[in-house]
Amino acid sequence: DAGVIQSPRHEVTEMGQEVTLRCKPISGHNSLFWYRQTMMRGLELLIYFNNNVPIDDSGMPEDRFSAKMPNASFSTLKIQPSEPRDSAVYFCASTPKDAGSPGDEQFFGPGTRLTVL
Amino acid sequence: GQNIDQPTEMTATEGAIVQINCTYQTSGFNGLFWYQQHAGEAPTFLSYNVLDGLEEKGRFSSFLSRSKGYSYLLLKELQMKDSASYLCAVVDSNYQLIWGAGTKLIIKP
Repeated sequence: DAGVIQSPRHEVTEMGQEVTLRCKPISGHNSLFWYRQTMMRGLELLIYFNNNVPIDDSGMPEDRFSAKMPNASFSTLKIQPSEPRDSAVYFCASTPKDAGSPGDEQFFGPGTRLTVL
Repeated sequence: GQNIDQPTEMTATEGAIVQINCTYQTSGFNGLFWYQQHAGEAPTFLSYNVLDGLEEKGRFSSFLSRSKGYSYLLLKELQMKDSASYLCAVVDSNYQLIWGAGTKLIIKP
């Protein structure tokens, strides 16, 4: 299995530009998570989906952030407009079961390192 | 509120043993995870505890005491490749994963 795939791996953009991050979960996995990681705040859950349906987006920082999962094999996280404080590593993770199943290991993608100038 | 505490950084010697502690205060408890994260890479699963006691897996062991809100990760026969951050994460009553800030472990020859 190829594992969780994220693209791009690195993104450098200017403040005010739109940024779209992409994720392909492991085939057959039911749940998908978007995280942001910074030195200051550690790993933060932004949003997660069960069977393509957004369940909890309380971690999304503000309206500039949006996420979609049009089908079981693809999700996007969009930031519009981007700001320098959005600079971070964004991880996508997936699990075989519905989110909320105890003991369910999350498989992380390699992450996208975003720099907003 | 929800809180998970881990030491920020620890240093140990190659071949030795190190214990990384994690204390938590969460709304309910449905298990505790340990993940390893090498610099510049994604977190990878190490262990999961839901019952009290010690779970051993090769050189790594994880312990849980639910009454004390406490867990530790024990690494034996340390190798240079064990230099990484170790993240503790607790599943709360809403089955949400609450992540600690991680402990950066530095292994010296």
